[in-house]
Amino acid sequence: DQQVKQNSPSLSVQEGRISILNCDYTNSMFDYFLWYKKYPAEGPTFLISISSIKDKNEDGRFTVFLNKSAKHLSLHIVPSQPGDSAVYFCAAITNTGTASKLTFGTGTRLQVTL
Amino acid sequence: DVKVTQSSRYLVKRTGEKVFLECVQDMDHENMFWYRQDPGLGLRLIYFSYDVKMKEKGDIPEGYSVSREKKERFSLILESASTNQTSMYLCASSFWRNNSPLHFGNGTRLTVT
Repeated sequence: DQQVKQNSPSLSVQEGRISILNCDYTNSMFDYFLWYKKYPAEGPTFLISISSIKDKNEDGRFTVFLNKSAKHLSLHIVPSQPGDSAVYFCAAITNTGTASKLTFGTGTRLQVTL
Repeated sequence: DVKVTQSSRYLVKRTGEKVFLECVQDMDHENMFWYRQDPGLGLRLIYFSYDVKMKEKGDIPEGYSVSREKKERFSLILESASTNQTSMYLCASSFWRNNSPLHFGNGTRLTVT
């Protein structure tokens, strides 16, 4: 039962263009969402997050959009750079009272070409 | 900067062996987590701990156990390794407060033959 889904396993974008990575979720109890970036042989690193009370959060070249009614979020990277080539995971938080548990999607491999 | 250190980058073990994966964090985080990453499945939570000697099962705890004797250290134990436990194992830590991002180690790639 995949509660967080990234339906595109890979994406190729030219340098300078916009990259759009998509994520869908099924659990309406999720109220906070994050994006992580992972390079080979390294652990994931936190990129950007958004609370369910917002529909947009921006940090430099990265913007996350949340559409609660559609249970959909997206990450926009503008402009895309070769160093952005990595696997991107979206994640959703369930606060259990003891810890914030993250449920991850399956990841999208972004390739930014010259 | 938060540092989460996993003791081994690569491990090769035989079926049936008892395997210990160690993780240490230096930021005094209350929460610690073990995930495994497999192609097409993303990261799946095995166990987590919100305090010393406290543990809770994640989504795929079968075949694993954990130990947290000190706040900074969280160990994952494979009691009797099997080939389907070949995977990348990732340790993470975070503060106790809600929505605190996880900080990950660089992972241990375990191969069980």
